[in-house]
Amino acid sequence: EAQVTQNPRYLITVTGKKLTVTCSQNMNHEYMSWYRQDPGLGLRQIYYSMNVEVTDKGDVPEGYKVSRKEKRNFPLILESPSPNQTSLYFCASSLSWEGANVLTFGAGSRLTVL
Amino acid sequence: AQTVTQSQPEMSVQEAETVTLSCTYDTSESDYYLFWYKQPPSRQMILVIRQEAYKQQNATENRFSVNFQKAAKSFSLKISDSQLGDAAMYFCAQGGNTPLVFGKGTRLSVIA
Repeated sequence: EAQVTQNPRYLITVTGKKLTVTCSQNMNHEYMSWYRQDPGLGLRQIYYSMNVEVTDKGDVPEGYKVSRKEKRNFPLILESPSPNQTSLYFCASSLSWEGANVLTFGAGSRLTVL
Repeated sequence: AQTVTQSQPEMSVQEAETVTLSCTYDTSESDYYLFWYKQPPSRQMILVIRQEAYKQQNATENRFSVNFQKAAKSFSLKISDSQLGDAAMYFCAQGGNTPLVFGKGTRLSVIA
């Protein structure tokens, strides 16, 4: 089944404890992206990647890191999480970066930082 | 910069009735695409409908249709014969030569 898989789905952590949210897609998509969803703010893009080894900042990159060493994987790293990073996170992918392409989303990861 | 505005944070509709969700956008691109995504309580993001800006004909998908007014930069979603399963958050999005930009969403409630 074509899908985007995120893990963990739920995580409660404490301020400053590094964590990684993994994202993997099995559709050979070039484009991958991370979003955070907060009430009243919609989905905001954190980082995106147009292809392997090519990443770029989205609208809210502060406090996050990403890497794209393989086409299928695009992990999101929070080096020193803070409470304002408590949010619902989505990974998404599409065939390429052009706006015509439909995004396939992962199921979301609910992160709470205490 | 691209912006997408959904002016209705919440809406409600009676079952079997019709509801229209509003979306306006701003872009300097001439070739772009518009989307409506649905997010039910399961949180999964599901594509509802897609519109190519170069096509004058409004896209339709079963009970879902859009009213695309290019000059006005308006892209509303009409849901006909509303069903309980339509209750969800709906996001409008616009993309072209830059990454997709989403609106803040409209939460739709369906009243039985």
